[in-house]
Amino acid sequence: DAGVIQSPRHEVTEMGQEVTLRCKPISGHDYLFWYRQTMMRGLELLIYFNNNVPIDDSGMPEDRFSAKMPNASFSTLKIQPSEPRDSAVYFCASSLSPSRETQYFGPGTRLLVL
Amino acid sequence: DQQVKQNSPSLSVQEGRISILNCDYTNSMFDYFLWYKKYPAEGPTFLISISSIKDKNEDGRFTVFLNKSAKHLSLHIVPSQPGDSAVYFCAAAVLSGGYNKLIFGAGTRLAVHP
Repeated sequence: DAGVIQSPRHEVTEMGQEVTLRCKPISGHDYLFWYRQTMMRGLELLIYFNNNVPIDDSGMPEDRFSAKMPNASFSTLKIQPSEPRDSAVYFCASSLSPSRETQYFGPGTRLLVL
Repeated sequence: DQQVKQNSPSLSVQEGRISILNCDYTNSMFDYFLWYKKYPAEGPTFLISISSIKDKNEDGRFTVFLNKSAKHLSLHIVPSQPGDSAVYFCAAAVLSGGYNKLIFGAGTRLAVHP
């Protein structure tokens, strides 16, 4: 298996623009997570899905952020409009079961909003 | 309010010596703790975990110690090797929507030099 796939790997955009990050989880995994990594706060869970249904979105910072999972093999995280403070590395992870450690992370998308 | 804190952003250790990474938490409801390791341009990968009913868990060169009364855990790497140079994230698991959501610290960057 190729592991969790994220695209793009790097994104540079201007403030006010829409940004869409994409994730393909490991085939067969029922859980999908979106995290954001910043220097100050480390890895923060933004939202997670179980069987394509959003379960906990309490980490989504504000209405500018939205996430969807239209099918078991694809998820998007959208920021509209983007702001400089959204600059961070965004990770997608997937898990086969609700066990604690088996979250497999993708390589991340480094986002820079100018 | 960060529930999981890694107060040392970086640590430098000589090859062959012991590396000790520390983590503090505030929520007494956490019952499971994990360490993840992250190399540059890669996603975090699971390293080792410990249940709150234990005070020590060992896996090869890696040992995690848990002090519940102090709400403190540490990761010991003995002996340290240059390949251990990475960012280490401490995480705590809390039940959320039937799933053990992971709360991560900000990470500690370990540099092991020859």
